[in-house]
Formats: sequence, structure tokens, C-alpha cells
Amino acid sequence: DVKVTQSSRYLVKRTGEKVFLECVQDMDHENMFWYRQDPGLGLRLIYFSYDVKMKEKGDIPEGYSVSREKKERFSLILESASTNQTSMYLCASSLLGLAGRAYNEQFFGPGTRLTVL
Amino acid sequence: SQKIEQNSEALNIQEGKTATLTCNYTNYSPAYLQWYRQDPGRGPVFLLLIRENEKEKRKERLKVTFDTTLKQSLFHITASQPADSATYLCALDGGGFKTIFGAGTRLFVKA
Repeated sequence: DVKVTQSSRYLVKRTGEKVFLECVQDMDHENMFWYRQDPGLGLRLIYFSYDVKMKEKGDIPEGYSVSREKKERFSLILESASTNQTSMYLCASSLLGLAGRAYNEQFFGPGTRLTVL
Repeated sequence: SQKIEQNSEALNIQEGKTATLTCNYTNYSPAYLQWYRQDPGRGPVFLLLIRENEKEKRKERLKVTFDTTLKQSLFHITASQPADSATYLCALDGGGFKTIFGAGTRLFVKA
């Protein structure tokens, strides 16, 4: 059974703390993604990676960074957490796709509900 | 930029009826469109993908249509069951490796 796992289901941090969210997939997928989901706004792409050590900014990268040292692991880093980063964070992975397009379905992890106080 | 519009109001239907959810997009015609199901507190789960040259796709009780003239996709669940209650997300080709997701429509199926 294919799986995307995230390091924590719930996390509470204080403003200014450095926060690490880890994501691991066991499907040998090339693409990995980090989204945040807020009520009424849908999933918004923060960063994605199509290969080890490669990363691309999504629509809302400010305040975040990522790391992909191994194919199966994609980490999201909040350099200095702020209250407006309180959200549900979802990691996903997918196969590379044809002609550089993301036709393939994305497999999501269970999400991390992050609260920044 | 591409925008997706899904009805933010919840859809309430009776068990056994057909549920129809709408996804409208505003800009260029996407190369593909996907539908996902999301249960509370969980990540989305892929249901169906339809490509730009396809008008309709079916999978068991699910049917998706894609009208590039109307810039709209309809998602149907026939013979709906209470277990179908969830939020359904529409997602479009965002160019390159990106997929753009809508905010979703909540479906409640009453027994």
C-alpha cells in the first residue's frame, strides 16, 4: 500500500521558533510537494521538488524553505514561525509525468496541523 | 492567472439521489482536470482525471464531464450513500509540475 507519512499530526510552536516538518514517501516518486490548506482558500502550493536537491517556489514561498537530500524525503522549514503560519500543512508526491507536465495523481500525507502561538 | 471556482455552500442530498458538483475555471483551458475527495482531518485522495480531449470519464458510481467551451467540469455521484459525505476538490493543470486546487465543496448525504 502506497504511503506518504508526515512527522507529526499536531504541532504547537511559539512565534520565532524554527520549525521542521518532515515528509517521507515510499513510492519512489520524483515529485514532492508542500501545500498549506486554510478554510475557503483551498490548497496553496508552497514549494515543490522534481528531483533530489532540486526545488522550485510555489505560489506562497515567503517565510518557508525546503530541503530534499534524499529522493524519499522532503522537509519544510519555517525559519521563524509567525502566527499567520498557523495552518494545515499537507505533503504530496507524484510520478514525474509526461513531457514535464504533472498529469499524474498526487498522493497526500495525513497532514500536520500547526499552531503558532 | 488561473482561478478555480467551486461552490462554497455545502450540498445536501438524500441517499440514493445523484449528487452533482461544479467546478468552473476562469482562464486558459487546462491540459487535464482532477477530482479528489477529502475527509475531515485527512489528506485528499485522488478519484479521477480527465484530459482536455476527453468529454466524459466514468469510474463505478462516479462520472466527470469536461466542457472547455463553458470552462466547466461537473462531478456526479450516482446512487449516493452517506459514506460519500466528504469535501470534493477540483484540481487543474497549473503548468509544468504544478496543480492548482479549488477550495472544495462539502457534500452531505442523508440516510
